[in-house]
Amino acid sequence: AQSVTQLDSHVSVSEGTPVLLRCNYSSSYSPSLFWYVQHPNKGLQLLLKYLSGSTLVKGINGFEAEFNKSQTSFHLRKPSVHISDTAEYFCAVKRGGTSYGKLTFGQGTILTVHP
Amino acid sequence: DGGITQSPKYLFRKEGQNVTLSCEQNLNHDAMYWYRQDPGQGLRLIYYSQIVNDFQKGDIAEGYSVSREKKESFPLTVTSAQKNPTAFYLCASTQPRGNQPQHFGDGTRLSIL
Repeated sequence: AQSVTQLDSHVSVSEGTPVLLRCNYSSSYSPSLFWYVQHPNKGLQLLLKYLSGSTLVKGINGFEAEFNKSQTSFHLRKPSVHISDTAEYFCAVKRGGTSYGKLTFGQGTILTVHP
Repeated sequence: DGGITQSPKYLFRKEGQNVTLSCEQNLNHDAMYWYRQDPGQGLRLIYYSQIVNDFQKGDIAEGYSVSREKKESFPLTVTSAQKNPTAFYLCASTQPRGNQPQHFGDGTRLSIL
């Protein structure tokens, strides 16, 4: 069975500094991995996805993530955060086999960016 | 613009009452999903449907019911059997083949009166 662990429940950084949000996964299959962002009282918006190929994936709003098969990780990074990046971030892995597109989500990481 | 519309945005349930949350999509997606979100627990799958007139239980289906009479619509009923219904409910859709990501609506917040 697939599972996702987000290693930090809260991360607080200053505007203009880099940020790293950590995600480890377990999967019986070659995984498809996703990062989503959620602003308060809103739905989830896709930031980026890894399906196969290059292990460095670039997404929207300057975010990127690196797939590391040996460490079963898919950490999200941004070199310089903005106040508007304050939100909750979810890592997800697609369930394998006849799962009909189902995802397993991590518990979420709340990112707070201070002025 | 294509997207997913959830309504209402806020909903209140009285003791012993069933309530229905609406989810409509115009993305022509075959698969639709309902998630429940509680603080610190991520998203948990309630029900999903891969095709019209077919749906399957997810990880926490007890106390909920769904229907899929039209491709565009996947309403969720929170029944009186769900003893702790207060949560944020999210609907999503995708084309399940080809590793397409799920697209989400803006959610319905359900509270008990």
